[in-house]
Amino acid sequence: DAGVIQSPRHEVTEMGQEVTLRCKPISGHDYLFWYRQTMMRGLELLIYFNNNVPIDDSGMPEDRFSAKMPNASFSTLKIQPSEPRDSAVYFCASSLAGRGYTFGSGTRLTVV
Amino acid sequence: QQPVQSPQAVILREGEDAVINCSSSKALYSVHWYRQKHGEAPVFLMILLKGGEQKGHEKISASFNEKKQQSSLYLTASQLSYSGTYFCGTELDRGSTLGRLYFGRGTQLTVWP
Repeated sequence: DAGVIQSPRHEVTEMGQEVTLRCKPISGHDYLFWYRQTMMRGLELLIYFNNNVPIDDSGMPEDRFSAKMPNASFSTLKIQPSEPRDSAVYFCASSLAGRGYTFGSGTRLTVV
Repeated sequence: QQPVQSPQAVILREGEDAVINCSSSKALYSVHWYRQKHGEAPVFLMILLKGGEQKGHEKISASFNEKKQQSSLYLTASQLSYSGTYFCGTELDRGSTLGRLYFGRGTQLTVWP
């Protein structure tokens, strides 16, 4: 298995622009998580899905953030409009219930 | 609900041992341990379920004290490759937060030759 695949690996964008991050989970995994990692806040859970259904989005910072999982093999995290404070590494992870998470390589987002 | 990890940082010589602790104020169903090297994603090490079990992974093992809601990660005879940041992730006892982990702030482990 290729693992969890995220794209792009790096994204540099100007403040106010829309950013879309993509994730392909491991086939057969029923949980998908979006995390953000910064030095200040560590690993923060933004939202997670179970069987493509959003379970908890209480970690999404503002209405500027949205996430979708239209099918079991694809999810997106969108930021519109982006702000400099959104700069971070965004990780997608997938798992089976009761098992460890497999993280993607992450997307390093820089908003200037 | 975020667990507390200690210490924040550890510096070792190759061959020395280390213990990293993870403590929660909530009843736990499971504890996960991950290692993250600089510039990379966290990598799953092991999971411990409610029941106070101890698990091993090469020279890295862990225990889970259900009564105290604490877990410890033991690294014995450390190797250079053990360097990285170790995170514990706690899953609350089954309920509405099924499947989600709360991660600690991490313990930075540096092993010198």
